Amino acid sequence: GAVVSQHPSWVICKSGTSVKIECRSLDFQATTMFWYRQFPKQSLMLMATSNEGSKATYEQGVEKDKFLINHASLTLSTLTVTSAHPEDSSFYICSARDGIAGDRDEQFFGPGTRLTVL
Amino acid sequence: DAKTTQPPSMDCAEGRAANLPCNHSTISGNEYVYWYRQIHSQGPQYIIHGLKNNETNEMASLIITEDRKSSTLILPHATLRDTAVYYCIVTDGGATNKLIFGTGTLLAVQP
Repeated sequence: GAVVSQHPSWVICKSGTSVKIECRSLDFQATTMFWYRQFPKQSLMLMATSNEGSKATYEQGVEKDKFLINHASLTLSTLTVTSAHPEDSSFYICSARDGIAGDRDEQFFGPGTRLTVL
Repeated sequence: DAKTTQPPSMDCAEGRAANLPCNHSTISGNEYVYWYRQIHSQGPQYIIHGLKNNETNEMASLIITEDRKSSTLILPHATLRDTAVYYCIVTDGGATNKLIFGTGTLLAVQP
């Protein structure tokens, strides 16, 4: 199956710093990528939808100026958590949809990035 | 997107079939039923999806009722590695194909 990678797999940072998380589709072109956040013992919460070459669409309640998303190519999307605070500590997961394979509608998920803000 | 209702947890004996139910009584005619699972601290894994007909692949079978208001995911021979949270999601599979995750079912496969 298609592979999606995330980097880094975990990161610890100080409060007030910014952290960038990369999401790459390794063997397919992803016209659409999605970013999720998951707190301990909770379900995944969709943060935003990212389309290559255009601005991301954020879900209600998600601050677009705090969570900057860039989808500059068909294989790479980045999420930058700006001025991170302890409450931003979470498991961040991306997914990618194969935009070329026709009727393949499944999304392929990355392994996640564990962010801890001290 | 329509909401889904799943039992919070289920147990299954290793080697037996695991049948995971999902209710989606407000599903629209153009909405698909997707199943994903998430093993602890990993990204979700796609299992199967369907619209009206029953579907089968190498991982599982999906049985959708004729009125499409509920479905069942069947893992024919559960193993310990199938222990995970299973999510049933309905979506129209359109251009954005947004997946809205509910609380899912924690399936615990017992030795």
